[in-house]
Amino acid sequence: DQQVKQNSPSLSVQEGRISILNCDYTNSMFDYFLWYKKYPAEGPTFLISISSIKDKNEDGRFTVFLNKSAKHLSLHIVPSQPGDSAVYFCAAWDSGTYKYIFGTGTRLKVLA
Amino acid sequence: GAGVSQSPSNKVTEKGKDVELRCDPISGHTALYWYRQSLGQGLEFLIYFQGNSAPDKSGLPSDRFSAERTGGSVSTLTIQRTQQEDSAVYLCASSPAAGGTDTQYFGPGTRLTVL
Repeated sequence: DQQVKQNSPSLSVQEGRISILNCDYTNSMFDYFLWYKKYPAEGPTFLISISSIKDKNEDGRFTVFLNKSAKHLSLHIVPSQPGDSAVYFCAAWDSGTYKYIFGTGTRLKVLA
Repeated sequence: GAGVSQSPSNKVTEKGKDVELRCDPISGHTALYWYRQSLGQGLEFLIYFQGNSAPDKSGLPSDRFSAERTGGSVSTLTIQRTQQEDSAVYLCASSPAAGGTDTQYFGPGTRLTVL
């Protein structure tokens, strides 16, 4: 049973436009969420995080929004750049089991 | 400073053989995690270490999988009698401490192929 879901396996966006990557979770006890970016043949790298006490966190071109009532978070990238093309993983910290639970990833392609 | 390193980067083995995967975490990081990513899947948690101890081994898929960490540093993940379904990329990550707010730093992974 997938506790963290990324229902869009892929997304294509034109350079300069906004990229919106979505993530849904099922466990209301998750209290910390992270986004990682992964290039081919490399390990994931941390991008941005958000605590459940917030509903928005911004870092440059990247903003993460959290809607606790809907158990939904999203990552906005604006403006999108070709170098943003990668697989993006959403992850949740389960403080009950002391584990990070990862989604299956969304492959973003930014078209020049 | 140096990041997380893993070796080998690629491993091809025959079904039934044992393999050992190595992870060198960032110096000073007390928490170390092993994940695997099968084709088309997300990152599947396997095990984590806090220092040399593994509080939670529930993610290990079967008793053919084992892991150890010595000296609070290097960790090895051993898969005995490998099966074709063990083929995946095995990722190691470390963080300063075990906890949700501490960023995990990932290594490049070991791609294991079991023929």
